[in-house]
Amino acid sequence: IAGITQAPTSQILAAGRRMTLRCTQDMRHNAMYWYRQDLGLGLRLIHYSNTAGTTGKGEVPDGYSVSRANTDDFPLTLASAVPSQTSVYFCASSPGDSIEGYTFGSGTRLTVV
Amino acid sequence: GQNIDQPTEMTATEGAIVQINCTYQTSGFNGLFWYQQHAGEAPTFLSYNVLDGLEEKGRFSSFLSRSKGYSYLLLKELQMKDSASYLCAVSDSNYQLIWGAGTKLIIKP
Repeated sequence: IAGITQAPTSQILAAGRRMTLRCTQDMRHNAMYWYRQDLGLGLRLIHYSNTAGTTGKGEVPDGYSVSRANTDDFPLTLASAVPSQTSVYFCASSPGDSIEGYTFGSGTRLTVV
Repeated sequence: GQNIDQPTEMTATEGAIVQINCTYQTSGFNGLFWYQQHAGEAPTFLSYNVLDGLEEKGRFSSFLSRSKGYSYLLLKELQMKDSASYLCAVSDSNYQLIWGAGTKLIIKP
């Protein structure tokens, strides 16, 4: 089934540890996105990539980094986790300059303690 | 700046009709999307409007007025499974989606 796979589904992480959230899509979409979703704040864009080899900063990029070595994968790394990064993280993709909207992964629930 | 406004929460009765409003101010406009998100799940696509007017899809309809920066999602014959958050999003000049905070819809029997 075509779509986006995120891993892990959930994680409890000690503050100060490094963590990579994985995201893989098999739809050959050009654009990929990482969001965090917190109660009452909606979806906030962390980083995005319009095509393989390029990345850009979203609304809340501090403390996060991404890479886009190929079309399918778009990992999100927390270099040194802090409790304020406790959130639900969604990866999404889209064909790019089209009207087809975004397809979302099932999310990663991260708790930093 | 860019801004999407929608009510935080609404309550409606099973079998009734509810209208969820969304107003927006964005840099550029390439269409407006409505997504549904059940608790603990990912958002899923409901509708897309780029021209003024009403788009109907079964029990759900979406309306757009570009001159007013306004849209609404109309849900008819409400069912308990419609209890969810409804997210309004606008595609800006770079085809990136700008998201509202979502409207939590509570359906009562």
